[in-house]
Amino acid sequence: GENVEQHPSTLSVQEGDSAVIKCTYSDSASNYFPWYKQELGKGPQLIIDIRSNVGEKKDQRIAVTLNKTAKHFSLHITETQPEDSAVYFCAASLGSSYKLIFGSGTRLLVRP
Amino acid sequence: DVKVTQSSRYLVKRTGEKVFLECVQDMDHENMFWYRQDPGLGLRLIYFSYDVKMKEKGDIPEGYSVSREKKERFSLILESASTNQTSMYLCASSFGGTGANVLTFGAGSRLTVL
Repeated sequence: GENVEQHPSTLSVQEGDSAVIKCTYSDSASNYFPWYKQELGKGPQLIIDIRSNVGEKKDQRIAVTLNKTAKHFSLHITETQPEDSAVYFCAASLGSSYKLIFGSGTRLLVRP
Repeated sequence: DVKVTQSSRYLVKRTGEKVFLECVQDMDHENMFWYRQDPGLGLRLIYFSYDVKMKEKGDIPEGYSVSREKKERFSLILESASTNQTSMYLCASSFGGTGANVLTFGAGSRLTVL
């Protein structure tokens, strides 16, 4: 079955710097890759997603890139702000399948 | 604002007790899910329901059961709680079809089993 590995487990950056979180997946048939952000005391919230017919997607300060050949995808946050501090989860699934396989999470700390 | 509401944020139960975790969504979503969140393990799917009275096992169903009698409500049941079920439990919902994997999560229920 699908397996998703996520790195790093913790990431500390200075406000204004960029942050990059990387994930690899095992099932080459996976074609949907969302990213969720979980703030303290809240449930995860979808922040951006990408499908396998696209290599990169941007939404203001966040972007996701996908390399299908290498089976990895990454979340890029530019000009980080303290409110970006949270736990971020990547996930992968096949088509419209309900079954999302999540990575282990990255705790991002943005230092003011 | 659309919502997934989990009735209990914090619960403390004793080993062997029966535990009910309740979840209600107001988005008319077809699908509802129960995940378990543990540090270093991410989110793992316990059970999934794609319609009223329908359910499917996820990756870690052992020790759990579910009930979906109404479209908006999905309950997770621990028949006899054990200490290794101490965890954060997250309910989620989604539309059917092509939106099935776009999840809206509740805030979570943190269960401690003593």
